[in-house]
Amino acid sequence: GAVVSQHPSRVICKSGTSVKIECRSLDFQATTMFWYRQFPKQSLMLMATSNEGSKATYEQGVEKDKFLINHASLTLSTLTVTSAHPEDSSFYICSARDLTSGGKNTGELFFGEGSRLTVL
Amino acid sequence: AQSVTQLGSHVSVSEGALVLLRCNYSSSVPPYLFWYVQYPNQGLQLLLKYTSAATLVKGINGFEAEFKKSETSFHLTKPSAHMSDAAEYFCAVSLGYSSASKIIFGSGTRLSIRP
Repeated sequence: GAVVSQHPSRVICKSGTSVKIECRSLDFQATTMFWYRQFPKQSLMLMATSNEGSKATYEQGVEKDKFLINHASLTLSTLTVTSAHPEDSSFYICSARDLTSGGKNTGELFFGEGSRLTVL
Repeated sequence: AQSVTQLGSHVSVSEGALVLLRCNYSSSVPPYLFWYVQYPNQGLQLLLKYTSAATLVKGINGFEAEFKKSETSFHLTKPSAHMSDAAEYFCAVSLGYSSASKIIFGSGTRLSIRP
């Protein structure tokens, strides 16, 4: 299957700093990527849809100024947590679809390994 | 609106026993349905998917699921559990058929395997 890679896998930062998480599609191009957030022992919550070359679409209740998303190329989307606070500590996971088969939507999303953010 | 409900946040079975994880969906249109597995501190791996072809779908690691429209269910099964199956399992539904369609996840079921 298609490979999605995230970096860093773990990051610890001080309160008030900003942290950038990268999501790359390694063997395919992704015009759309999805960012999820997962609290301990809970399900994945969709935060936003990242669109290559245009603004991201945020889910209701997600602060777009807190979670900045940039999708500058067909293989890279970044999530920046600005002025991070302890309540932003979480597991962030990105995903994308592989449409290389003639652009056909095969349905599934391929997920990165996740990035665990700890804000002290 | 589409949604999925997973019954049972925790399921425990003996090694070698049948695994049954329950998922019911709600959708106004024929759904795309998925089962994903997550191991601790990792991303999600696709086990199998239903995209309106065969109703009995076979996936990786010996798992399969059957789409039952009359019951609005998509339960995940495996005939014989293995210790390595211990993980978190998520049922999910796609909110459309386009490449930009979102996927929404159920609350998850933690599967434990007893020796």
